[in-house]
Amino acid sequence: QVQLVQSGAEVKKPGSSVKVSCKASGGTFSSYTISWVRQAPGQGLEWMGRIIPILGIANYAHKFQGRVTITADKSTSTAYMEMSSLRSEDTAVYYCARDAPDGSSGRIDAFDIWGQGTLVTVSS
Amino acid sequence: DIVMTQSPDSLAVSLGERATINCKSSQSVLYSSNNKNYLAWYQQKLGQPPKLLIYWASTRESGVPDRFSGSGSGTDFTLTISSLQAEDVAVYYCQQYYSTRALTFGGGTKVEIK
Repeated sequence: QVQLVQSGAEVKKPGSSVKVSCKASGGTFSSYTISWVRQAPGQGLEWMGRIIPILGIANYAHKFQGRVTITADKSTSTAYMEMSSLRSEDTAVYYCARDAPDGSSGRIDAFDIWGQGTLVTVSS
Repeated sequence: DIVMTQSPDSLAVSLGERATINCKSSQSVLYSSNNKNYLAWYQQKLGQPPKLLIYWASTRESGVPDRFSGSGSGTDFTLTISSLQAEDVAVYYCQQYYSTRALTFGGGTKVEIK
């Protein structure tokens, strides 16, 4: 069974950058995509972008284009999300999540396996 | 981007009673070529990541109790919990995956015990 294990909590200053990791175990890393979803305290879910590890191609929600970089290292089955120019509004729990099988032979952009979440706090 | 609007924001239901959550999309998420609705539902309990309950608007994820059901098509969808159990207390989210470059979630509906 695939598991996604994320790196630990971070406290950052405004204007700095953070890099969160998501290590997959128990499956074939390159056979699915990994998305990043964040959740501000007491708020809803916000999709940030995804990476297709087998291709190394990432795409991003418009809001995060240019400020977020999602990468993957196939050799370690680890995906990364790096965000720059942090501001207080970026304080949130950041989740990685795997796209789900679609019930036949394909996959869908809904998420069946999630990491445990990484709290990123941006504060001066 | 497709805007997902859930209602109500919260509801309190007695144990064993039915809970109904609505989700409306700002444009259709029905893909005409395969006649499938690109709509998923999640359950999120306090302090946990979301859990996928339903995809294709009405297909239950493996292991999800059959008291959870999804219905609807086009722009209007419903998640029903037929007989609320104590362990169903959570926030529920809908998500569209029709627009693959701009996945969006509803604002969430909090379900509590009356």
